[in-house]
Amino acid sequence: DTEVTQTPKHLVMGMTNKKSLKCEQHMGHRAMYWYKQKAKKPPELMFVYSYEKLSINESVPSRFSPECPNSSLLNLHLHALQPEDSALYLCASSQRTGDYGYTFGSGTRLTVV
Amino acid sequence: DAKTTQPTSMDCAEGRAANLPCNHSTISGNEYVYWYRQIHSQGPQYIIHGLKNNETNEMASLIITEDRKSSTLILPHATLRDTAVYYCIVRLPWDGGSQGNLIFGKGTKLSVKP
Repeated sequence: DTEVTQTPKHLVMGMTNKKSLKCEQHMGHRAMYWYKQKAKKPPELMFVYSYEKLSINESVPSRFSPECPNSSLLNLHLHALQPEDSALYLCASSQRTGDYGYTFGSGTRLTVV
Repeated sequence: DAKTTQPTSMDCAEGRAANLPCNHSTISGNEYVYWYRQIHSQGPQYIIHGLKNNETNEMASLIITEDRKSSTLILPHATLRDTAVYYCIVRLPWDGGSQGNLIFGKGTKLSVKP
């Protein structure tokens, strides 16, 4: 299995809702990442997990809460989002050592109404 | 991580080679050059990476200048399916305390035309 699987592919949520994005990989990668991508912009790094521990939080608002329950799963819990949080949310994974590239999922298209 | 500079957009005729340039004049000795592409609304796709030597795989070739301050991604026979945004990124490998994170610049929008 050489894929990163993200679910759901599309999500519409209200500003008072709580929802979660899920990311799964079975490549044995020990680093996992969340990126946010607004329309016509490059992906922006949000969080980095290394060996299931949060190692980087790029000053992301607390309404985004990441979780890495095991080495294959990465979640992003969403609460009280704003319409400007509407974006494509991308998950990626990589080896934790060396010069290997990242494998990206196809993303979750989030719309906050 | 070093910054990169790429043209905003480029056109290429179908079947011809597409040569995408990237400047990374502040690259350090242990930073790798990576290329990714993103087809509309999909996740970025890894293409190729290198440190000093030129590299080739089934998708593309990467030419890195001797001083490592610039590189060129070559798609030898571009097809319509190669229309995408191409990102050139320099990054450190995971090594000790280095995070080796992938930070995207603005990229080049390549349009392959019939």
